[in-house]
Amino acid sequence: DGGITQSPKYLFRKEGQNVTLSCEQNLNHDAMYWYRQDPGQGLRLIYYSQIVNDFQKGDIAEGYSVSREKKESFPLTVTSAQKNPTAFYLCASSGPTSSYNEQFFGPGTRLTVL
Amino acid sequence: AQRVTQPEKLLSVFKGAPVELKCNYSYSGSPELFWYVQYSRQRLQLLLRHISRESIKGFTADLNKGETSFHLKKPFAQEEDSAMYYCALRAGNNRKLIWGLGTSLAVNP
Repeated sequence: DGGITQSPKYLFRKEGQNVTLSCEQNLNHDAMYWYRQDPGQGLRLIYYSQIVNDFQKGDIAEGYSVSREKKESFPLTVTSAQKNPTAFYLCASSGPTSSYNEQFFGPGTRLTVL
Repeated sequence: AQRVTQPEKLLSVFKGAPVELKCNYSYSGSPELFWYVQYSRQRLQLLLRHISRESIKGFTADLNKGETSFHLKKPFAQEEDSAMYYCALRAGNNRKLIWGLGTSLAVNP
């Protein structure tokens, strides 16, 4: 374990509030990813970033925003525009030090909207 | 379109029985395929990848380009193999992975 961390582990939010999930990695990976994991729906890609100051929308980017100002950090903001934000969020990274494009995952953040 | 299909949501076997978790993909180019595993209360982690042709924890997976499949197999299942298993595809030069919906494996004593 270690290498990629997410905080907090559990997060509660009231409807209408924005909330930011933290993801940090010390693996010197250039690429980072945010996924949403819902029962029976597998992993769905929200956003990904292949290099600092650049990121691309994934399959379900609506209602989310990201930034990539530092190589080590890729925070995800869940905005009030996200219609169904209650979910388990996973951050991952990959890079030259990971062989064969393996993605390394954080422990996840469980977001609950009250 | 690129797609990964895992037809079984849940697979239940008895300890010592063979197990096969199915994965089919749709991609016209040369694929790079992975199996990831998520044990209870642990992080999602790489189990194996086709390119290295390795056996991890007794599991193997062979890429069959003719059938566009990458099934995960183990001859004798153990209780500790109970977990969620995901098949994933990397298509072309894009760094992102395309994921199947996952198969929950339950190995019963």
